[in-house]
Amino acid sequence: DTAVSQTPKYLVTQMGNDKSIKCEQNLGHDTMYWYKQDSKKFLKIMFSYNNKELIINETVPNRFSPKSPDKAHLNLHINSLELGDSAVYFCASSQVFLRTGPNHLAKNIQYFGAGTRLSVL
Amino acid sequence: GEDVEQSLFLSVREGDSSVINCTYTDSSSTYLYWYKQEPGAGLQLLTYIFSNMDMKQDQRLTVLLNKKDKHLSLRIADTQTGDSAIYFCAESRNGGFKTIFGAGTRLFVKA
Repeated sequence: DTAVSQTPKYLVTQMGNDKSIKCEQNLGHDTMYWYKQDSKKFLKIMFSYNNKELIINETVPNRFSPKSPDKAHLNLHINSLELGDSAVYFCASSQVFLRTGPNHLAKNIQYFGAGTRLSVL
Repeated sequence: GEDVEQSLFLSVREGDSSVINCTYTDSSSTYLYWYKQEPGAGLQLLTYIFSNMDMKQDQRLTVLLNKKDKHLSLRIADTQTGDSAIYFCAESRNGGFKTIFGAGTRLFVKA
C-alpha cells in the first residue's frame, strides 16, 4: 500500500495548457510538500501545507496554485504551462516533531512520492 | 542547493568504501539528513543525525558530523552495485518545516 501516491506519473502537454497533479498520503501526517526537481536533479521546495494551511510559499510563479482539501491531500494546479515548467514534481509528507523552548528542536523525516514527470512541448 | 553543498560525482569499485561529503551553513540546524534517490523514484530517507552527536552508525552506513566546520559525511562500507544512486544531504530550518537539500552526489559503483 503506497504511503505517498501522486498522479499522473507522466504528463505531456502543450504550452499554454492548464494541468493538475494530485497527491495523497495515508501516513496520517500533518504536513505535505511540493518540490520541483530540474534536469540537473536539483530539488527545490515550492509549497508546504500544515493541517491544510499554507506555511511555505517559495518564489514560485502565481501560475502554480496548491490546494489542500484535507490533511491527506495536496494538489498542484498549473495554469498557462511554459517550456520551463518541464521537470519532475515530487509530493512529500512528514510529521514534524517540534519542541519549544530556548533550543527549538525539530525532526522532519519526509516521505516522497514517486514523482510526476511533466514535459511541456 | 542553497547553502548546502556536496560534490556532484563519486565513482568507486564494488567492495570499497564510499565517502560522500556535505557542507552546510545554518548553524541552528538541529537535524541533518541523508536521502537516497534511485532512478525513476522519489527520495527515501537513509539516515539522520541530531546535532549534539558526532557519529551515528547503522549497519553499513556511518554518518560523521563536525559541527564546528559544518561538515557532514556519509560512509558506505562494502559498497554494492545496488548502492548506485543519487545521495542528498539535507538540513531542516524554519522551525523544522523547511528542508534544504544539497544538489545531490551521484554515486557510481563499478563491478
